Amino acid sequence: GENVEQHPSTLSVQEGDSAVIKCTYSDSASNYFPWYKQELGKRPQLIIDIRSNVGEKKDQRIAVTLNKTAKHFSLHITETQPEDSAVYFCAARYSGGSNYKLTFGKGTLLTVNP
Amino acid sequence: EPEVTQTPSHQVTQMGQEVILRCVPISNHLYFYWYRQILGQKVEFLVSFYNNEISEKSEIFDDQFSVERPDGSNFTLKIRSTKLEDSAMYFCASIRRGGVETQYFGPGTRLLVL
Repeated sequence: GENVEQHPSTLSVQEGDSAVIKCTYSDSASNYFPWYKQELGKRPQLIIDIRSNVGEKKDQRIAVTLNKTAKHFSLHITETQPEDSAVYFCAARYSGGSNYKLTFGKGTLLTVNP
Repeated sequence: EPEVTQTPSHQVTQMGQEVILRCVPISNHLYFYWYRQILGQKVEFLVSFYNNEISEKSEIFDDQFSVERPDGSNFTLKIRSTKLEDSAMYFCASIRRGGVETQYFGPGTRLLVL
């Protein structure tokens, strides 16, 4: 089955700096890669996703890059703000078949210091 | 915007007791999921449900677990005889169709087994 590795497990940055979180996946059939933000005690919320036919996607201060050959994808947050502090999870999914379950990484606790 | 809802938000139970966790997926969604998250760990897939039957289940989802969609709106997870290690946050999720559509998560039920 799919295995997703995520690094780093914790990341502390100063407000205004950039943050980068990296994930690798094992199943070359995976073709959909969402990123979720989870604040303490809350549900995971989708912040951005990327399909395997795209190498990069950007939404304001957030961008995701995908390298299918190397089987890794990254989340980039620019101009970080204290409200970006949360746990970020990457995930992978194969969008064929009939299941569409997500396999998650272990999460990165991002702390943005004012 | 429609949301996945879950009840109860918190449940405390004694070891060996049965618990039922309830979810109301988004109304036009067709694929339903339960995930769990042990405190401080990643979100783990438990089971997926489509067309009134289980489409996949993980190793965690043993004979003590069952799911039902009794009335076309609710989606329940039953744990027959709870164990201490079942203590976790349980998230319900749903997708409208398959493919690369967004999986929406409920707010979770925090289960504590004493």
